[in-house]
Amino acid sequence: DGGITQSPKYLFRKEGQNVTLSCEQNLNHDAMYWYRQDPGQGLRLIYYSQIVNDFQKGDIAEGYSVSREKKESFPLTVTSAQKNPTAFYLCASIQGSGNQPQHFGDGTRLSIL
Amino acid sequence: GQSLEQPSEVTAVEGAIVQINCTYQTSGFYGLSWYQQHDGGAPTFLSYNALDGLEETGRFSSFLSRSDSYGYLLLQELQMKDSASYFCAARMDSSYKLIFGSGTRLLVRP
Repeated sequence: DGGITQSPKYLFRKEGQNVTLSCEQNLNHDAMYWYRQDPGQGLRLIYYSQIVNDFQKGDIAEGYSVSREKKESFPLTVTSAQKNPTAFYLCASIQGSGNQPQHFGDGTRLSIL
Repeated sequence: GQSLEQPSEVTAVEGAIVQINCTYQTSGFYGLSWYQQHDGGAPTFLSYNALDGLEETGRFSSFLSRSDSYGYLLLQELQMKDSASYFCAARMDSSYKLIFGSGTRLLVRP
């Protein structure tokens, strides 16, 4: 079945450490997105990519970095510059034409050790 | 700035009808989406309105009025499994970026 796979499901970060969250999709979607969700809040856009080798900052990009070397992969690195990284991180993708919905992965829950 | 406003919490009885409103303020607007999210889970798509009017999908319907910058999600014949958070999300431009509201927590009581 086609879908979006995020890993790991749970991740713990030590002070000063960079961690990378994986997002892979086999839907052949052009565009991919990373969101952050804090408890009881909506989703806020971190980064997005509409094509391979290109990506744009969202509303809360500081302390995060991404790459899009392959169409199916859009990893997110939470750097040590992100002082409050504890949140639920969601990856999404969309075909990029017509009235298509965004498809979401199951998320990664990141906590500070 | 860009913002979407929706009520934080709604409670309804099993079998009833509930309406969740969403008003938006965005610099551009292509359409309004609705997503459902159960605790600990990922959002799942419910509906999308690009044009004014009502879209019906089974027990769920969604309405949009572009002139009023307003939309709503209507849930009929409520079931206990409908207890979840519901988010409206505005698509602002051709990039398919979405701006999400902070969500409405729906509690369905027996």
